[in-house]
Amino acid sequence: GNSVTQMEGPVTLSEEAFLTINCTYTATGYPSLFWYVQYPGEGLQLLLKATKADDKGSNKGFEATYRKETTSFHLEKGSVQVSDSAVYFCARNTGNQFYFGTGTSLTVIP
Amino acid sequence: NAGVTQTPKFQVLKTGQSMTLQCAQDMNHNSMYWYRQDPGMGLRLIYYSASEGTTDKGEVPNGYNVSRLNKREFSLRLESAAPSQTSVYFCASSYRRAFFGQGTRLTVV
Repeated sequence: GNSVTQMEGPVTLSEEAFLTINCTYTATGYPSLFWYVQYPGEGLQLLLKATKADDKGSNKGFEATYRKETTSFHLEKGSVQVSDSAVYFCARNTGNQFYFGTGTSLTVIP
Repeated sequence: NAGVTQTPKFQVLKTGQSMTLQCAQDMNHNSMYWYRQDPGMGLRLIYYSASEGTTDKGEVPNGYNVSRLNKREFSLRLESAAPSQTSVYFCASSYRRAFFGQGTRLTVV
């Protein structure tokens, strides 16, 4: 089927720690892959995306690489900040349909 | 540049009441979506519209109806609200990426 699976949270890290949030997908065809971020009380915003295999999306110090061989798009950041506290959603699309993971809540403590 | 605008932001309904959530986008997108967000469930697609005049059921359509009034507007109607429909509702539109509204927090008591 078509789905997105991401690691469950919540995740709590100290400031400047390394972050990884795992995401894997199943899909027919060659989807585009996305990470969205949701800050408290707001809608989802695009964080980064990759449209083909081996592409690396990056933004605000976050990175994710489209790995077709492992059907993964793991989100990483080398040094998190308190302001990164949010819920992160992995997503894929095929054509005009978007499919989202369940979200991973991240809290960064000073 | 407003993007995707949803109204209202908050709403409390009694069981059995009806209401319509409004959504409009100013980006000339063909595709529009309604999602609900519940704790531990992520975003679940309620209905989807690929273009003006077309709508398709998503993962959780029961208890909802939609209208794609024109290219800009895509409304979601609850005919007889139930407590299980207490949720945060997001409208989105897309072209290569999805753009989201700020959400409507609905409580059904």
